[in-house]
Amino acid sequence: DAGVIQSPRHEVTEMGQEVTLRCKPISGHNSLFWYRQTMMRGLELLIYFNNNVPIDDSGMPEDRFSAKMPNASFSTLKIQPSEPRDSAVYFCASRWTGVNTGELFFGEGSRLTVL
Amino acid sequence: AQSVTQLDSQVPVFEEAPVELRCNYSSSVSVYLFWYVQYPNQGLQLLLKYLSGSTLVESINGFEAEFNKSQTSFHLRKPSVHISDTAEYFCAVSPTSGTYKYIFGTGTRLKVLA
Repeated sequence: DAGVIQSPRHEVTEMGQEVTLRCKPISGHNSLFWYRQTMMRGLELLIYFNNNVPIDDSGMPEDRFSAKMPNASFSTLKIQPSEPRDSAVYFCASRWTGVNTGELFFGEGSRLTVL
Repeated sequence: AQSVTQLDSQVPVFEEAPVELRCNYSSSVSVYLFWYVQYPNQGLQLLLKYLSGSTLVESINGFEAEFNKSQTSFHLRKPSVHISDTAEYFCAVSPTSGTYKYIFGTGTRLKVLA
């Protein structure tokens, strides 16, 4: 299996621009998580989906952030408009919840820099 | 709700010395416990997990962690570290039923010195 695939790996953009981060979970996994990692706040859970349905988005910072999962093999995290404080590494992770002892598999992350 | 506390943000240790990385958690429900490791410029990887049974769990590369229910702790230990163990280590919890939320601590950066 190819693992969790995230794109782009690196993104540099100007303040005010729209940013879209993409994630392809491992085939067969039915739960998907978006995390943000910064030096100041560590690893923050932004949102997670079960069976393509958003379960908890309480970690989404504000209305500028939105996430979708139109099908089991694809998810996006969108920031519009972006701000310098959004600079971070964004991780997508997936797991199978058929047996709720499942390991969470992470992608390699998308490093976002907003100038 | 669940929360995870890793009190040590950085731990420097000399090669071949023992190390302990501390993790305490809070939860109103039963949880599974995990340690993940993150090497530079990579995502997190599972190191070991406690689900049930023996409170002492081990990884393939010499780490071990002990679940202590009364102290709500899950400290990670290694009797002799290597340079290659330099990484960031995250403790995490996930409820045993209901939601499938996965909450991480803030991480401990282990730096092994030659």
